[in-house]
Amino acid sequence: DTEVTQTPKHLVMGMTNKKSLKCEQHMGHRAMYWYKQKAKKPPELMFVYSYEKLSINESVPSRFSPECPNSSLLNLHLHALQPEDSALYLCASSQESSSGNTIYFGEGSWLTVV
Amino acid sequence: GEDVEQSLFLSVREGDSSVINCTYTDSSSTYLYWYKQEPGAGLQLLTYIFSNMDMKQDQRLTVLLNKKDKHLSLRIADTQTGDSAIYFCAERTSYDKVIFGPGTSLSVIP
Repeated sequence: DTEVTQTPKHLVMGMTNKKSLKCEQHMGHRAMYWYKQKAKKPPELMFVYSYEKLSINESVPSRFSPECPNSSLLNLHLHALQPEDSALYLCASSQESSSGNTIYFGEGSWLTVV
Repeated sequence: GEDVEQSLFLSVREGDSSVINCTYTDSSSTYLYWYKQEPGAGLQLLTYIFSNMDMKQDQRLTVLLNKKDKHLSLRIADTQTGDSAIYFCAERTSYDKVIFGPGTSLSVIP
């Protein structure tokens, strides 16, 4: 099982709304990631959690707030977003093993800010 | 610094081999990955290679790594129309940081 599950698949929110994106993995991976992907562009790293602690924040605006409640869950809290924040938000998880270091992505959450 | 480059477009005929190239700048990269993304979908991990390897083969996929030139390639044998997608090269630059190239859009002509 190499599944990373993201909900919701689609989200439309106003600029004054507060919403959350959720990500879940049951592979026992120690690292979890949030990426943002605009149309026809590569994914851009936003945050990395390692062993439930924030290890990388790529200078992301504070209107995006990550949270890792436990080793299987990763949330991205959204508040006062701008229309330019509309994008595909991808969650991923990774783990080192004897065969290497693999990173698996979820299907993403499509966010539209109106 | 950290930078990954790829050619943006590739067009091949069905049945031919496709070769997608990637260059990276960080000599401390530990793993290099190839992902496939179809329209409206997430990223599918195709294969990856550890930086101390030169080659890895997995069914129709062959990855070649030239660490001296920081050049990575993905060869798809017997390319099919279902292989049409965007292919991203990605490098793990530090313990957990993974950055992506701009992606190569592969079009397979029947």
